[in-house]
Amino acid sequence: EAGVTQFPSHSVIEKGQTVTLRCDPISGHDNLYWYRRVMGKEIKFLLHFVKESKQDESGMPNNRFLAERTGGTYSTLKVQPAELEDSGVYFCASSQDRRNTIYFGEGSWLTVV
Amino acid sequence: DAKTTQPTSMDCAEGRAANLPCNHSTISGNEYVYWYRQIHSQGPQYIIHGLKNNETNEMASLIITEDRKSSTLILPHATLRDTAVYYCIVRAPNTGTASKLTFGTGTRLQVML
Repeated sequence: EAGVTQFPSHSVIEKGQTVTLRCDPISGHDNLYWYRRVMGKEIKFLLHFVKESKQDESGMPNNRFLAERTGGTYSTLKVQPAELEDSGVYFCASSQDRRNTIYFGEGSWLTVV
Repeated sequence: DAKTTQPTSMDCAEGRAANLPCNHSTISGNEYVYWYRQIHSQGPQYIIHGLKNNETNEMASLIITEDRKSSTLILPHATLRDTAVYYCIVRAPNTGTASKLTFGTGTRLQVML
């Protein structure tokens, strides 16, 4: 069974540009989470989808970040316009329901120059 | 904020058991103790979780004290590939926003020859 997959694995963009990260959760997992780790900081929660609905977006840093999960399958996280402090690794995770174990992808590394 | 306290770092000789402690003195009755690890720059990897009984799987054992205020993750025969940052996380089972994971700074385990 395929795990959580993320694309791209690495991305280098200039400040002010737009980047879209994609996450495919484990098949059948209704819950999808986004986390990130910026340089020198802890892994931080960004938001949580239940199917296509945003359950909790309390961790989203500002309105430059937009997450979507149309159809309740894969999700995208768009950063527009990107700033230098957005550099880091963005993790996607999924679980079957809220009680089940959360499994993480390998992350998408974002470097803003 | 993270509700757990872990040592910043630990060393362990290869082949020996690695015992990683975690304090969670404010844990609630319905909250689980989860352990994840992050090897180098990979995504967090699920290890084990428990509520009040000791648990064992193919990766590790989890010992939870009777008062549930602390726990110990045991890697029975540590190898160099177990070198990672280990996170102890307290998680409510399915209460909406509380189902997310809150990462702290973890314990950096270095397994040595």
